[in-house]
Amino acid sequence: NAGVTQTPKFQVLKTGQSMTLQCAQDMNHNSMYWYRQDPGMGLRLIYYSASEGTTDKGEVPNGYNVSRLNKREFSLRLESAAPSQTSVYFCASSEPSARIQYFGPGTRLLVL
Amino acid sequence: GNSVTQMEGPVTLSEEAFLTINCTYTATGYPSLFWYVQYPGEGLQLLLKATKADDKGSNKGFEATYRKETTSFHLEKGSVQVSDSAVYFCALSDRSTGNQFYFGTGTSLTVIP
Repeated sequence: NAGVTQTPKFQVLKTGQSMTLQCAQDMNHNSMYWYRQDPGMGLRLIYYSASEGTTDKGEVPNGYNVSRLNKREFSLRLESAAPSQTSVYFCASSEPSARIQYFGPGTRLLVL
Repeated sequence: GNSVTQMEGPVTLSEEAFLTINCTYTATGYPSLFWYVQYPGEGLQLLLKATKADDKGSNKGFEATYRKETTSFHLEKGSVQVSDSAVYFCALSDRSTGNQFYFGTGTSLTVIP
């Protein structure tokens, strides 16, 4: 039981490049989330998916897109990376009845 | 709306000292409250939770009591260890907003021997 896994662990991009961050969970959870963590800002919700086939914007969705590929996988795409997107990105999953979120180890992204 | 405000850091304590990290919240409904811990280079892990007023969550010597009258959920530990060095996040989840989580900004704790 791996919990929530994320790939890659670290990535360096040039401004304007695109990339997709992958997330998968093996806990059969319905809900999945993408956050970014910046110094002094805590965690801010980018997008979430309450169930397979649905996605909704969070607090800071601009510049990102998501895909809920199936119940296990939830990817985050940066179409044209900007230095302001330098951050640590966390994926999480939860079962609403339990109201606990489980986090992946994070992806550190540096945009030059 | 929903929000969480927690004590600014960083906090530096000597081993065996008493720890308090303050957390207050604003919520539109009846939230559940959480403390998460993040060790260096890792994701967040649930430390403890409380789902209704006057509940006390506890784990690994840490405690927090859900105080509705003061809208607070302060984290305490009687005797910290070097291994408790981490960043601590207070959070709430409110069914009225679709079970979204709202996190505080985090408080960095360093315990020195």
